[in-house]
Amino acid sequence: DTGVSQNPRHKITKRGQNVTFRCDPISEHNRLYWYRQTLGQGPEFLTYFQNEAQLEKSRLLSDRFSAERPKGSFSTLEIQRTEQGDSAMYLCASSHAGQGAYGELFFGEGSRLTVL
Amino acid sequence: AQRVTQPEKLLSVFKGAPVELKCNYSYSGSPELFWYVQYSRQRLQLLLRHISRESIKGFTADLNKGETSFHLKKPFAQEEDSAMYYCAPQGDDYKLSFGAGTTVTVRA
Repeated sequence: DTGVSQNPRHKITKRGQNVTFRCDPISEHNRLYWYRQTLGQGPEFLTYFQNEAQLEKSRLLSDRFSAERPKGSFSTLEIQRTEQGDSAMYLCASSHAGQGAYGELFFGEGSRLTVL
Repeated sequence: AQRVTQPEKLLSVFKGAPVELKCNYSYSGSPELFWYVQYSRQRLQLLLRHISRESIKGFTADLNKGETSFHLKKPFAQEEDSAMYYCAPQGDDYKLSFGAGTTVTVRA
């Protein structure tokens, strides 16, 4: 499967612990996005990379959240000192800049976080 | 502020009946409009985009800039159309914004 890959698929943690999610985009896709989705809502934009540069961060992304894409390939999203409100599905998506500004986003299956 | 409204949370139709999913948006500038779909146990995927002016799986979407709407329509719903549908405008900042989604159930 050459689609967007995310792991772990499920993570259960206790409040206050740190968690890290990884996203492997489709090869040669230079744009990478992180979204968060809670029950009954559509995905909410968190952050966006073009190659290794993080170009935008949502106000939703508090200081406890950090995302990296060190070599312009895979990306990690870390949440420090998790809170119960962080429980959500974290979605990664990638696209190719060659498609222009309005290219199709290809989504991963998501990483579901449950904070107890 | 950018806002996407999908007024129907749930939509239930009989097979062969027409289906219309409403989407209204409030966006600065002239966004591009998309519909994304998530079938059961599958990942979120693109259904169609306005810029392509295409019909996908029998669905079409009409952009009305005056009413800032981008409603999705299909004249004859099929059981395989049962899914969650998201309207998604995108500005020139590469960010896709999603509505809350409409769950469509097509009954036999």
